[in-house]
Amino acid sequence: EPEVTQTPSHQVTQMGQEVILRCVPISNHLYFYWYRQILGQKVEFLVSFYNNEISEKSEIFDDQFSVERPDGSNFTLKIRSTKLEDSAMYFCASSEERAPLYGYTFGSGTRLTVV
Amino acid sequence: SQQGEEDPQALSIQEGENATMNCSYKTSINNLQWYRQNSGRGLVHLILIRSNEREKHSGRLRVTLDTSKKSSSLLITASRAADTASYFCATVFSGAGSYQLTFGKGTKLSVIP
Repeated sequence: EPEVTQTPSHQVTQMGQEVILRCVPISNHLYFYWYRQILGQKVEFLVSFYNNEISEKSEIFDDQFSVERPDGSNFTLKIRSTKLEDSAMYFCASSEERAPLYGYTFGSGTRLTVV
Repeated sequence: SQQGEEDPQALSIQEGENATMNCSYKTSINNLQWYRQNSGRGLVHLILIRSNEREKHSGRLRVTLDTSKKSSSLLITASRAADTASYFCATVFSGAGSYQLTFGKGTKLSVIP
């Protein structure tokens, strides 16, 4: 069964450093998303991406964050100047349609720890 | 806020029993989805129910939706130890142009063999 692949599975970074979280969505999917889950809290929407541009973003997704689809397969989330409160599990998801009948396919996540 | 909220927060049952989890939300929705998350892992889509549907089945899963009460329930019948996980409802707001998922806090289900 097709999967969304995320790398690395765990990243530790120093406060103030930049990190890039990588995702390989399912190959025929057109819509891509990032969500995050701070430990013990709800999963929160960050951003959606379609046709090489952001289609929707949340208040969390400020200037510190950016997304990119650098080639035909990867979808990245960059966090500039990380803060302690950026520590969370970051999930990438993809879908074939904007409102998929069968839900979104999520990756296994990258656990980001900012120290 | 259009947040989904599940109850109970935690549920412990014996293998073979049925598990029922409830979700409430605050605004009109396009659809409601249930996801499962095994400890420290990714989210797995279980089932989607549209706002014009009242009930949906998938294998041992049964989902109901009551838009008048803004609530949904997920029933897992004949539970197995492998069903142990956290279960989240997520809503898609019916407002124009927004397709983001809004998740609840989840119900942690433990199925005791």
